[in-house]
Amino acid sequence: QVQLVQSGAEVKKPGASVRVSCKASGYTFSDYYIHWVRQAPGQGFEWMAWINPKSGGTNYAQKFQDRVTMTRDTSINSAYLELSRLRSDDTAVYYCARGYTSGLAGTEFDPWGQGTLVTVSS
Amino acid sequence: EVLLTQSPATLSLSPGERATLSCRASQNIRNYLAWYQQKPGQAPRLLIYDASNRATGFPARFSGSGSGTDFTLTISSLEPEDFAVYYCQQRSNWPLTFGGGTKVEIK
Repeated sequence: QVQLVQSGAEVKKPGASVRVSCKASGYTFSDYYIHWVRQAPGQGFEWMAWINPKSGGTNYAQKFQDRVTMTRDTSINSAYLELSRLRSDDTAVYYCARGYTSGLAGTEFDPWGQGTLVTVSS
Repeated sequence: EVLLTQSPATLSLSPGERATLSCRASQNIRNYLAWYQQKPGQAPRLLIYDASNRATGFPARFSGSGSGTDFTLTISSLEPEDFAVYYCQQRSNWPLTFGGGTKVEIK
């Protein structure tokens, strides 16, 4: 079955960087965009970025433009999110999610990874 | 940025009752609206896409309707497993945005 498995929880100090991984299985990795979406405690969802696994092309939400980097490694069907200059308000569960429609960036998300809690605290 | 406003924030109902959830967009998003179900400690699951198409694995008691700026998710008769938080999401404009959610709780 289609599945996304993320790396484990992280605790970081303000100003540090974090890298979260997302390993895909059960489908052709290069056919579907991968997105990152975060959910702060008790809050709704915020879309952050996508990557086209085939080309490596990326698109970032303006809010994160200068702090986020998405990469992928097609040899192991994995995508990565790196967020730098962390602040306390970056504390959230970070989800990777596959685009629902093959080859389309602007789409729904299905499935989602299990989520990775990133805690930023001094 | 397209703002999605969900109402009510909380819906208190009993099993067997009908649930009607609303999602209003700040501008015309055609039918590019999805609904997700999220249970505590779990990732969201895609429930409805393109306003009215049910995703795999969800029963027919779930239905979506609407276009333009006003959308509705209806659960015809609540089952115990349906008590959860429901979010809408639009894919008409960048950035992709979500509503704040409606919690369907047991009365």
